Amino acid sequence: NAGVTQTPKFRVLKTGQSMTLLCAQDMNHEYMYWYRQDPGMGLRLIHYSVGEGTTAKGEVPDGYNVSRLKKQNFLLGLESAAPSQTSVYFCASRGTAAYEQYFGPGTRLTVT
Amino acid sequence: QQQVKQSPQSLIVQKGGISIINCAYENTAFDYFPWYQQFPGKGPALLIAIRPDVSEKKEGRFTISFNKSAKQFSLHIMDSQPGDSATYFCAARQVFDPSNQFYFGTGTSLTVIP
Repeated sequence: NAGVTQTPKFRVLKTGQSMTLLCAQDMNHEYMYWYRQDPGMGLRLIHYSVGEGTTAKGEVPDGYNVSRLKKQNFLLGLESAAPSQTSVYFCASRGTAAYEQYFGPGTRLTVT
Repeated sequence: QQQVKQSPQSLIVQKGGISIINCAYENTAFDYFPWYQQFPGKGPALLIAIRPDVSEKKEGRFTISFNKSAKQFSLHIMDSQPGDSATYFCAARQVFDPSNQFYFGTGTSLTVIP
């Protein structure tokens, strides 16, 4: 039981490049979330999903897209990376029975 | 607009002392208040949580105090240890929110000096 895993752990992009971050959970959770963490700003919600095939915008969705084609996977895409997207990205999931969100280990992204 | 305001931003405590982190909110529709602990290079992990129908919850050395009328809640770490050095986030969830998202505070970096 790995919980929530994220791929990759680190990535450096040049401005304008694209990439996809993968989040996988093996807990059969319905809800999945993508957050970004920046110094002094806490965790801010980018996009979320309440079930397979659904996605919705969070607090800071601009510049990102997501997909949830399979229940266990939640992908975060950056189509044209900008330096403002330099951050640590966390994926989280939760089931329907409890409120607790389980976080992955994070992806540190640097855009130069 | 920050829905949950957290203070202080950083805190240094001597080993054996009490660490206190405070959070405040305005949204009376919040019905669940967790605290998350994050070690460097790791994801946040649930530490302790409280519902607004109780004023205090204790788990080992960690206690949440909740003041519904003041719309404030705080984390108390008794007998603080160097292993408690981490970043702590308070959060809140809104009742009847279909996203079930958490609104996080900005975090407190705790350093416990041996």
